[in-house]
Amino acid sequence: GDSVTQMEGPVTLSEEAFLTINCTYTATGYPSLFWYVQYPGEGLQLLLKATKADDKGSNKGFEATYRKETTSFHLEKGSVQVSDSAVYFCALGSNFGNEKLTFGTGTRLTIIP
Amino acid sequence: DAGVIQSPRHEVTEMGQEVTLRCKPISGHDYLFWYRQTMMRGLELLIYFNNNVPIDDSGMPEDRFSAKMPNASFSTLKIQPSEPRDSAVYFCASSLGRSQGYSNQPQHFGDGTRLSIL
Repeated sequence: GDSVTQMEGPVTLSEEAFLTINCTYTATGYPSLFWYVQYPGEGLQLLLKATKADDKGSNKGFEATYRKETTSFHLEKGSVQVSDSAVYFCALGSNFGNEKLTFGTGTRLTIIP
Repeated sequence: DAGVIQSPRHEVTEMGQEVTLRCKPISGHDYLFWYRQTMMRGLELLIYFNNNVPIDDSGMPEDRFSAKMPNASFSTLKIQPSEPRDSAVYFCASSLGRSQGYSNQPQHFGDGTRLSIL
């Protein structure tokens, strides 16, 4: 079945550091891929998405490229801010038309000033 | 635009009591999902509906849990009787789907209900 393997956390970085959170997936066909972010006390919010191979999703300085050859969708940001501290979830869309998402376990990111 | 609305935001109750969580999805969305989030188990899908019909309830932990969607704008998740191990944050999410001409759409989450069973 579909699965998502996400970089274990927690991750602690200094402000303005470069961020990479790894995400790899197992799925048949051509699923859509998503990154969600969860701030304390809130629900998950869509951060970015990519629907086909080589697509790059981007939002708020974050980027992720859909790499079918390596089945990866790593999240990157060139210079993180304290306000980026949150939990990040990689997710895989279903190929079966049921709109289910398979989530990774989440990576807690803390940015220190 | 109004997002997914959940109520209550917080619920504290004693073991054995009935708990009802409520969700109003985004207007026009035809899929609705209920999740549970805990530190130990992470984010778990409990049940989801398409056009108000339950499609997959395999994630519902046991018969104490039930969910309904009487119409397109309202769903409930009920726990009866509640137990301390049910303490978690429960999220509702909605999305567009094939009946609306879409596929692989993102889910939109509410802010959750933090449930504490004493």
